[in-house]
Amino acid sequence: QVQLKESGPGLVQPSETLSLTCTVSGFSLTSYSVSWVRQPSGKGPEWMGRMWYDGDTAYNSALKSRLSISRDTSKNQVFLKMNSLQTDDTGTYYCTRDAFGSSGFDYWGQGVMVTVSS
Amino acid sequence: DIQMTQSPPVLSASVGDRVTLSCKASQNINKNLDWYQQKHGEAPKLLIYYTNNLQTGIPSRFSGSGSGTDYTLTISSLQPEDVATYYCYQYNSGWTFGGGTKLELK
Repeated sequence: QVQLKESGPGLVQPSETLSLTCTVSGFSLTSYSVSWVRQPSGKGPEWMGRMWYDGDTAYNSALKSRLSISRDTSKNQVFLKMNSLQTDDTGTYYCTRDAFGSSGFDYWGQGVMVTVSS
Repeated sequence: DIQMTQSPPVLSASVGDRVTLSCKASQNINKNLDWYQQKHGEAPKLLIYYTNNLQTGIPSRFSGSGSGTDYTLTISSLQPEDVATYYCYQYNSGWTFGGGTKLELK
């Protein structure tokens, strides 16, 4: 069955870099795109960026200067790196499978809570 | 960037009510809109894709409609398990979620 699981540190220091891994199973990264979506506590989701099935990437314009998404298809993993973290980057970070290219997030990981604090 | 405005922010309704949630885009999004349901402590769940297509496994009491800048999610007969926050998401130009409508039981 389709599964996605995020992993990474729960606590990051301000100004440091966040590194998260999304490990997928039950589908191929060369057939489906994977997005990263984050959600501050008590607020709505924010789409961050996407690894397209063909290896291309797309980023939220507000985060583009700080964000990088890559993948390792042999390990079924998608990676997120975001630098210069600040306290308002605190929240739950999800990876999702995009069922229809750039929409239809039909499967979500459990999410990983990231706190930016010294 | 396209802005998505959902109304009302909070909606109280009774079991069995017909409930309508609205989502308005700052420009025409050509029906490129999904709806998601998020229950407390869970990841969002896809309900409706491309304005009016019901995702597999979602009860038929959920439906979507709209065009241009105005879109609606309707629950034909509210059930207790529908208590959640609902988000619209556009992918016509960039990719943007709305601020959500929190649906409560009266």
